[in-house]
Amino acid sequence: SHELTQPLSVSVALGQTAKITCEGDSIGTRNVHWYQQRSGQAPVLIIYRDSNRPSGIPERFSGSNSGNTATLTISRAQAGDEADYYCQVWGSSTEVFGGGTKLTVL
Amino acid sequence: QVQLHESGPGLVKPSETLSLTCTVSGGFISTYHWSWIRQPPGKGLEYIGDIHYNGSTNYNPSLKSRVTMSIDTSKMQFSLKVNSVTAADTAMYYCARQVGVWTRRWFDSWGQGTLVTVSS
Repeated sequence: SHELTQPLSVSVALGQTAKITCEGDSIGTRNVHWYQQRSGQAPVLIIYRDSNRPSGIPERFSGSNSGNTATLTISRAQAGDEADYYCQVWGSSTEVFGGGTKLTVL
Repeated sequence: QVQLHESGPGLVKPSETLSLTCTVSGGFISTYHWSWIRQPPGKGLEYIGDIHYNGSTNYNPSLKSRVTMSIDTSKMQFSLKVNSVTAADTAMYYCARQVGVWTRRWFDSWGQGTLVTVSS
């Protein structure tokens, strides 16, 4: 099955830009989706099909996908962005999630 | 705005069957795929499988031998059964709606989750 690799943790200063990567073989040929999970809460969809934002998700969240890496970019990071972030793709026979990245806002 | 709510026992004995139900409100169940995802304490998300309103299913190969999903459109509910459970099945279980087409689907609505502990 397709495997997705995310950094365990990413730190960003308040107001700066954070980038969270999701690596996988030829991931650029697949649709990548991103979820935010705040502590003690259910995941929330923040990006679908590589770069689309659902209604209600701030423009500060954006996504890109090319080659072997998909990237979630969070601009002007806020304290409320502190959470775990997961990427997801269809992995040949099943849906696959990345291991998750803990974002810390300093 | 569709809402999903999981229900079922919070404690299951080893070797027994875990059974959960997800109730859908505020939307149509007779469209989309409906999924189960779990998250062991302190760990990441694991896809269990999904069921279409017509009853067709897709299970994670790693769990396929122990998982059964069903759907009751008249009750706006879909269900999960996992048999022969062990401590490794202890997790928060989420139900979710899956939208999109074939290999390009994503989970746009989630329940709040229900914690299932496997212990004697």
